[in-house]
Amino acid sequence: ETAVFQTPNYHVTQVGNEVSFNCKQTLGHDTMYWYKQDSKKLLKIMFSYNNKQLIVNETVPRRFSPQSSDKAHLNLRIKSVEPEDSAVYLCASSRDRGRRNAEQFFGPGTRLTVL
Amino acid sequence: GDKVKQSPSALSLQEGTNSALRCNFSIAATTVQWFLQNPRGSLINLFYLVPGTKENGRLKSAFDSKESYSTLHIRDAQLEDSGTYFCAADEGNTGKLIFGLGTTLQVQP
Repeated sequence: ETAVFQTPNYHVTQVGNEVSFNCKQTLGHDTMYWYKQDSKKLLKIMFSYNNKQLIVNETVPRRFSPQSSDKAHLNLRIKSVEPEDSAVYLCASSRDRGRRNAEQFFGPGTRLTVL
Repeated sequence: GDKVKQSPSALSLQEGTNSALRCNFSIAATTVQWFLQNPRGSLINLFYLVPGTKENGRLKSAFDSKESYSTLHIRDAQLEDSGTYFCAADEGNTGKLIFGLGTTLQVQP
């Protein structure tokens, strides 16, 4: 099965802890992304990454960092979580089509609750 | 939600009826994607559009880049069509998808 996989499905933690979410795609894509979906369902991009370039959305706090071992994996680490980090984090991937923005495919998401 | 405005925000349909969802853009989008987010939270790809139209079963979508809007038509609505529909536009070929706030659709028997 080719798709975008995320673990864990859910994570509950306390303020100040470090968390890490995993994302793997088996679609053979070149670019991966992390999005945050807040309680009002608004989806906002956090990072996009391929083997050439990391693009960070300027509104993302520095405690968030993407980590990639190869083009099929892009994990998300949050150094010291805060209550406003409670959200669903969605990973996506796309083929690198150069100038034109390519179709993105999403994983099922990881729901983070910070107590 | 400011750069991509979806309407309506919520919609209730009787099974078997038709409807249209709309997105207006205040960015120069070159591609548009439509997704359905199911109750489990998964985003299902419906359409990926360059300017023009596409059809898939009971769904049809159009993207007009000059007038900066896209539509999604649902024909003969079924119960399984219920969920939240999102449109998303790229922003200047940066790879950044800008999402609307979604249209929550409930199909009633």
